[in-house]
Formats: sequence, structure tokens, C-alpha cells
Amino acid sequence: EAQVTQNPRYLITVTGKKLTVTCSQNMNHEYMSWYRQDPGLGLRQIYYSMNVEVTDKGDVPEGYKVSRKEKRNFPLILESPSPNQTSLYFCASSDLAPGTDTQYFGPGTRLTVL
Amino acid sequence: GENVEQHPSTLSVQEGDSAVIKCTYSDSASNYFPWYKQELGKRPQLIIDIRSNVGEKKDQRIAVTLNKTAKHFSLHITETQPEDSAVYFCAASRGGSARQLTFGSGTQLTVLP
Repeated sequence: EAQVTQNPRYLITVTGKKLTVTCSQNMNHEYMSWYRQDPGLGLRQIYYSMNVEVTDKGDVPEGYKVSRKEKRNFPLILESPSPNQTSLYFCASSDLAPGTDTQYFGPGTRLTVL
Repeated sequence: GENVEQHPSTLSVQEGDSAVIKCTYSDSASNYFPWYKQELGKRPQLIIDIRSNVGEKKDQRIAVTLNKTAKHFSLHITETQPEDSAVYFCAASRGGSARQLTFGSGTQLTVLP
């Protein structure tokens, strides 16, 4: 089954404690992206990757890091989480071929930073 | 950068009526406009999209219209059903790349039985 998976689905942590949210896709997609969703703000892009070892900033990259060492995985790293990073996070992937712009979203990770 | 405004933020309709959600965008280079539906506790899912070389696209009960001159696009849902109740997000590409999406703030649609 074609899918995007994220782990963990729920996470409560404390300020300053480094954490990683994993994202994996089995569709051989070149493109992967991270979004955060906050009430009244829609989804805002954090980082994206066009392929292995190619990453770039989205609209709200401050406080986040990513890496793309393998095509299927795109982890989101919070080196020193703060309460303003409490949010719902979605990973997404899509192909790069013309006309294949559909982004497939993962199930989401609800993060609470105390 | 791109800015997408979406209205209304909430919309209630009677079952069987039509619903219209409108979005405006700022970047004239945007050329891809998807609509996503997000049910409570679920992930966003693409329901329809349109490209700048097309003025209207339909898929059964849903349709999207695009006015590039005015920089606005709309989602139309006809014969609404209770299962259409969800949050709907519009989005626009930035800088011509279909994957650099800027999303609107969402519309909570409630279909009353």
C-alpha cells in the first residue's frame, strides 16, 4: 500500500530536549516536505527536499533542521524545542514528473512542548 | 512571497444546498491551485486541483473555477451531504513550482441534515 508514515504520532516533551520526528514514504517520491498546522493559520511549510542531499527552507524554518540521506526518509529535527513549536506536524511527498503534483500527506504528529 | 486569503472561515449549509469557498492569491507567477479536504483528526487529502491554463474543472459534485486576471479561485460543492463536513484548504504554488505551496487558513464547512 502506497503511504507516508510518521513517528511518533503524539509526543509531549519539555523545553530544550532534542527530538526527531521521522517520516518515511514507500512511493519512491523525489520530493518530500514538512508542514506545521496551527489553528487559523492553515499549513505552513517548514522545509522541503527535492532529492537526496538536497534540502531548502520553506516559510517557517527557524528552530528546525532536516536531513535527506535516503530517498524514502526525511526526518524533522528540533534541536532545542520551545513551547511555540507546539503544533500538528505533517510530512508530505510527491513525484517530480510533470503533472504529478499531488502531495500525499502522512497521518500527522501532534507535538506538545512544555 | 505568496499570500493566500480564504473566505469564509466557517460555512454552514443545509444538506442538498451548494457551498462556495473563495480564495485570493498575490503571486501572479502561481500556476497550480489545489484544494484539500481535512476531516477531523485526519490528514489533508487532495480533492481537486486546477492549473492556470484552465478556467474551470469539475469532478462529480465538486468544481473549481480560476480567474487569473483577478487572482482568485473558488471551490463549488453542489448537493452537499453530511460527509462533506470538514475543513477545506485552498493553496497556491509559489514561483511557478507546483510543490512550493502556500495554504489558505481553511474553511470549516458544516452540512446540516
